[in-house]
Amino acid sequence: AQSVAQPEDQVNVAEGNPLTVKCTYSVSGNPYLFWYVQYPNRGLQFLLKYITGDNLVKGSYGFEAEFNKSQTSFHLKKPSALVSDSALYFCAVSPGRINYGGSQGNLIFGKGTKLSVKP
Amino acid sequence: DAGVIQSPRHEVTEMGQEVTLRCKPISGHNSLFWYRQTMMRGLELLIYFNNNVPIDDSGMPEDRFSAKMPNASFSTLKIQPSEPRDSAVYFCASSLYRGQSNQPQHFGDGTRLSIL
Repeated sequence: AQSVAQPEDQVNVAEGNPLTVKCTYSVSGNPYLFWYVQYPNRGLQFLLKYITGDNLVKGSYGFEAEFNKSQTSFHLKKPSALVSDSALYFCAVSPGRINYGGSQGNLIFGKGTKLSVKP
Repeated sequence: DAGVIQSPRHEVTEMGQEVTLRCKPISGHNSLFWYRQTMMRGLELLIYFNNNVPIDDSGMPEDRFSAKMPNASFSTLKIQPSEPRDSAVYFCASSLYRGQSNQPQHFGDGTRLSIL
């Protein structure tokens, strides 16, 4: 079965320090991987995605993520955290096979990780 | 560009009433998704459509829930009769599907539903 795991419910970081939000996945084939951010009273916003190619993907707001196939991970990172980065972060995965039955654009989301950046 | 538009943003109603949530996807997108988010259960996929056809409704909790997509620019999620446990934030999302699920979903800002 396909799944996504975000092992930490909450991550606490001091402003200016690097941050990492972890994500591991289980899916057959070569996956497509996504990160989203959700601010209070808002919908999920797309941050970045990995489809193929360079394992380090850069996205919005200075975030980046590293795809590691051997560890089946796709951790979200930022070199220097801001207080305004405090939000809920979701990792998502879809199977990479063409016309995978019953998956017309569907994504499997993790449970989310709450990031708290303190001044 | 206009994003996914949901209405109403907030809905408060009494138990037993019919509730209709509305969604306008991004123009040109051909997949549409309805989600429910609660503190206890997190983000749950209820149903999704491709080219206006329901593909998977296994997440719809009960027969009280129904969803329609009469055309490419409009979808509704209806709860009848509503119950207090249906209180949640309901999100609609859309994406462009062209044979591979490699496009991001774009979410609306949700409808916060409270059933008294």
